[in-house]
Amino acid sequence: SQKIEQNSEALNIQEGKTATLTCNYTNYSPAYLQWYRQDPGRGPVFLLLIRENEKEKRKERLKVTFDTTLKQSLFHITASQPADSATYLCAPSENTDKLIFGTGTRLQVFP
Amino acid sequence: GAGVSQSPRYKVAKRGQDVALRCDPISGHVSLFWYQQALGQGPEFLTYFQNEAQLDKSGLPSDRFFAERPEGSVSTLKIQRTQQEDSAVYLCASSPLAGARFGTDTQYFGPGTRLTVL
Repeated sequence: SQKIEQNSEALNIQEGKTATLTCNYTNYSPAYLQWYRQDPGRGPVFLLLIRENEKEKRKERLKVTFDTTLKQSLFHITASQPADSATYLCAPSENTDKLIFGTGTRLQVFP
Repeated sequence: GAGVSQSPRYKVAKRGQDVALRCDPISGHVSLFWYQQALGQGPEFLTYFQNEAQLDKSGLPSDRFFAERPEGSVSTLKIQRTQQEDSAVYLCASSPLAGARFGTDTQYFGPGTRLTVL
């Protein structure tokens, strides 16, 4: 069955550093992969989408890579700020109409 | 409205009670999704509508769960004879296009309804 792994432990980093979050998947071949941010008590908010034929995508301080050989996506936040503290969810999905989410990684950026 | 709204935001039910959770999607959005999110987990897909048609209900955990969207806008998720394992946050999302199969559709999520079954 499809399996998605994200670091269950919180990632604590200092303001200004680059945060790197990992998303690994097994037993299927997603055509695209989305990253969402979720704050406590709120629904997920879309950040970036990358397709299987794209290696890297950037948006402002965010960068996502998609390695279909390693079955892995990396999500980078450069020059991190305390306001970036949240849970980040990856959703590697096939060409269907439903998202399959990982468990999320909580990021804490401290001053 | 500006975004997806859900009501109630919090619901406490006694085991065995029926509950109804409402979702108001963004006006004009064709697709509507329901997800269940347990504490510390990612959202899990429940069901999907395209306008009033329920195209996928493969994620509904049991026949106690029922969803409808009769006029292609507002949707209701109903849970009959609630059990403690139904306690979770229920998220609704909508997207503007008919189908996310091309990976181009962003889903816009509501704040969720936190259901606690005692």
